Amino acid sequence: AQSVTQLDSHVSVSEGTPVLLRCNYSSSYSPSLFWYVQHPNKGLQLLLKYTSAATLVKGINGFEAEFKKSETSFHLTKPSAHMSDAAEYFCVVSPNYGGSQGNLIFGKGTKLSVKP
Amino acid sequence: DADVTQTPRNRITKTGKRIMLECSQTKGHDRMYWYRQDPGLGLRLIYYSFDVKDINKGEISDGYSVSRQAQAKFSLSLESAIPNQTALYFCATSDSRGVADTQYFGPGTRLTVL
Repeated sequence: AQSVTQLDSHVSVSEGTPVLLRCNYSSSYSPSLFWYVQHPNKGLQLLLKYTSAATLVKGINGFEAEFKKSETSFHLTKPSAHMSDAAEYFCVVSPNYGGSQGNLIFGKGTKLSVKP
Repeated sequence: DADVTQTPRNRITKTGKRIMLECSQTKGHDRMYWYRQDPGLGLRLIYYSFDVKDINKGEISDGYSVSRQAQAKFSLSLESAIPNQTALYFCATSDSRGVADTQYFGPGTRLTVL
């Protein structure tokens, strides 16, 4: 079975400090992995995706994530938080096999707060 | 994403009423999806459609039905709304020719069932 676990429901950082949002996945197949961001009262925006090319993936707004197969992790990082980064972040897996294509499995989300 | 639109954006209704949520897209994608979002639960898939003649149930289809009227339109119906269907509903699209089934989301419809 495929699953996604976001290890923190809420992360709080100060502006200018690093951001780390943790995600572990379980998949029997080589998955595609995504991070989406949802700002308050907005839809979901794709931050970045991993599709079995480079294991370090760069996304928009200075975010990046590293795929570590041995650890089944896909943590999201940013060197320096900005107030505008305050939002909810979702780690998502696409199992990539047969009839599952297109079926995304969402983590429960991590709410990021950024303090001035 | 303006390429995926949802109507209405907000709706308040009463228990037992029939409700339809509509989704339109101009991205030219063949696949469309309906999700609901509840606080602390992430997004859960209700129905998905890989083309006009292909409709599939998702994780939580009970109490919902869908119609794919055209490649660009996918509507979600609640035949008899109940309070636990109060949620934020998202439509999404993807291109089967694209990479890794990246999905693009509409702005959401906030539905309240009293």
